[in-house]
Amino acid sequence: SQTIHQWPATLVQPVGSPLSLECTVEGTSNPNLYWYRQAAGRGLQLLFYSVGIGQISSEVPQNLSASRPQDRQFILSSKKLLLSDSGFYLCAWRRGTGGNSPLHFGNGTRLTVT
Amino acid sequence: KQEVTQIPAALSVPEGENLVLNCSFTDSAIYNLQWFRQDPGKGLTSLLLIQSSQREQTSGRLNASLDKSSGRSTLYIAASQPGDSATYLCAVVDDYKLSFGAGTTVTVRA
Repeated sequence: SQTIHQWPATLVQPVGSPLSLECTVEGTSNPNLYWYRQAAGRGLQLLFYSVGIGQISSEVPQNLSASRPQDRQFILSSKKLLLSDSGFYLCAWRRGTGGNSPLHFGNGTRLTVT
Repeated sequence: KQEVTQIPAALSVPEGENLVLNCSFTDSAIYNLQWFRQDPGKGLTSLLLIQSSQREQTSGRLNASLDKSSGRSTLYIAASQPGDSATYLCAVVDDYKLSFGAGTTVTVRA
């Protein structure tokens, strides 16, 4: 069976500090990978998605970046965090076979920028 | 750009009552629609996925319908229980990307 791991679960970082959130998927190959952010009281905002190693699509221009160094690893980074980067970050995956496969989420990382 | 709306934003019902949650979307050219459940502080759990060629999908007490032409989906939860209290989100799938509604927060009163 497939599982998705996301860490850390919670993170408190000062403004201007760097960020690295990691997500890995097990039990499948060549998944589509996604980073979403959920701000308090708001819906999910797609940040990045990837259909293969080294292939990253950005949905919202901001001070965040994503990388996919391995097939089942997806990393969200920032060089300098802003207060507005606070939120709940969710990694997700689905089979890379087009539109008819369900999306599965990790447990999320609660980021507080102080 | 696809826009997904869920009304109402919150719903409170007594235990045993049937729940009806609504989802509407602006672009009918979708691959499928997926319903999720989110407990406070947790990630999203997939409930049902309806492919664009289907009109409904069922799993236990859950039934989801899809009307692409009118841009609507409805999630029915029969005989609600306090454990059904959560936020329910729908997402429409357009090839690689999913667009989410803001969710309906459900409280089932014992």
